Amino acid sequence: QSVLTQPPSTSGTPGQRVTISCSGATSNIGSNFVYWYQQVSGRAPKLVIYRGNQRPSGVPDRFSASKSGTSASLAISGLRSEDEADYYCASWDNSLSGLLFGGGTKVTVL
Amino acid sequence: QVQLVQSGAEVKRSGASVKVSCKAYGYTFTDFYIHWVRQAPGQGLEWMGFINTDRGGTNYAQKFQGRVTLTRDTSTTTAYMEVRGLRSDDMAVYYCARVFGPVGELDYWGQGTLVTVAS
Repeated sequence: QSVLTQPPSTSGTPGQRVTISCSGATSNIGSNFVYWYQQVSGRAPKLVIYRGNQRPSGVPDRFSASKSGTSASLAISGLRSEDEADYYCASWDNSLSGLLFGGGTKVTVL
Repeated sequence: QVQLVQSGAEVKRSGASVKVSCKAYGYTFTDFYIHWVRQAPGQGLEWMGFINTDRGGTNYAQKFQGRVTLTRDTSTTTAYMEVRGLRSDDMAVYYCARVFGPVGELDYWGQGTLVTVAS
């Protein structure tokens, strides 16, 4: 059972905007950055958002993120077929002195 | 370019040990920590711990304390993850990833190593 809570799935049609929530606690999201990773089936995870709302080189600006209190969210606008993947939030937890991952959200492009 | 290349798939008996390697290319090895993350079949990501590749210090998730050992060899720019006393629920893909500092984004990942535990 993950300490960071994500919905198991979401879906959208091409061009739509989808959002994924990530709920945590003061000791993790409330105190530290949230990171987002994309994992296409059978592949290693890939960083898509870091330090709040920064995108690594090569990640399109269709990906954005926000945080409020102990919750965070990832938004994908202009949904494309290649966005179909599992998405994980992650944040350091000060109480556990460790990195926590959310349970993952499967994004399906209809 | 930056690459983390992991050793190949392993099949081990229950109770045995496995050691997975992660060789770094394309950057100064000791400038980045190496973290280990595993993923059981059909499940999510689980953080295991990290190693300070410069000084060798380690930090483990409580679940893995005493059963997992992280080491590194700076001469070969390789990090290692050993799991002892393998159980069926250790069957997973194990990933290494680098982080600039103990806490931060895992910006480059290895390709993963599948460890199968046979009873």
